[in-house]
Amino acid sequence: IAGITQAPTSQILAAGRRMTLRCTQDMRHNAMYWYRQDLGLGLRLIHYSNTAGTTGKGEVPDGYSVSRANTDDFPLTLASAVPSQTSVYFCASSPSSEGHGELFFGEGSRLTVL
Amino acid sequence: GQNIDQPTEMTATEGAIVQINCTYQTSGFNGLFWYQQHAGEAPTFLSYNVLDGLEEKGRFSSFLSRSKGYSYLLLKELQMKDSASYLCAVRGGDYKLSFGAGTTVTVRA
Repeated sequence: IAGITQAPTSQILAAGRRMTLRCTQDMRHNAMYWYRQDLGLGLRLIHYSNTAGTTGKGEVPDGYSVSRANTDDFPLTLASAVPSQTSVYFCASSPSSEGHGELFFGEGSRLTVL
Repeated sequence: GQNIDQPTEMTATEGAIVQINCTYQTSGFNGLFWYQQHAGEAPTFLSYNVLDGLEEKGRFSSFLSRSKGYSYLLLKELQMKDSASYLCAVRGGDYKLSFGAGTTVTVRA
């Protein structure tokens, strides 16, 4: 089934540990995004990539890094996790960073940092 | 930056109509989206408006007034499965999509 796959689905992590959330899409979309969703705050953009080889900072980038080595993969890394990074993380993609393109979302990764 | 406001919660009866309002203030405008999100699931696309007016898609309609910075999502003939959060999102001048906090709609029998 075409779409976006995120892994892991859920993870409990000790503070200070390094963690990478994986995201893969098979729709050949150019643009990819990482959002976090927290109760009462909605979805907030962490990092984005308009095309393979380029990345940019969103609204809440501190403590996170991304890479876009190819079209399909867009991993999100927490170098040293902190409890405030406890959240549900959604990866999304769209055909283009401009125009009508709607966002397609993965199923989310629930991360708990203790 | 973007400022997007929508009500936190709404309750309605099965078969009724509910209107979810969204107001926004953005740096530039390149379209407004509505997404539906059931509890524990990913958001899914419902509608897109870039020009003023009403877009109808089955039981769901979305309206946009760019001069007023205002949109609404209209849900008609409510069904129990429509109980979900509805997210208003605006694509600003930088083409990034910013989301409101969402409106949780509860449909009662």
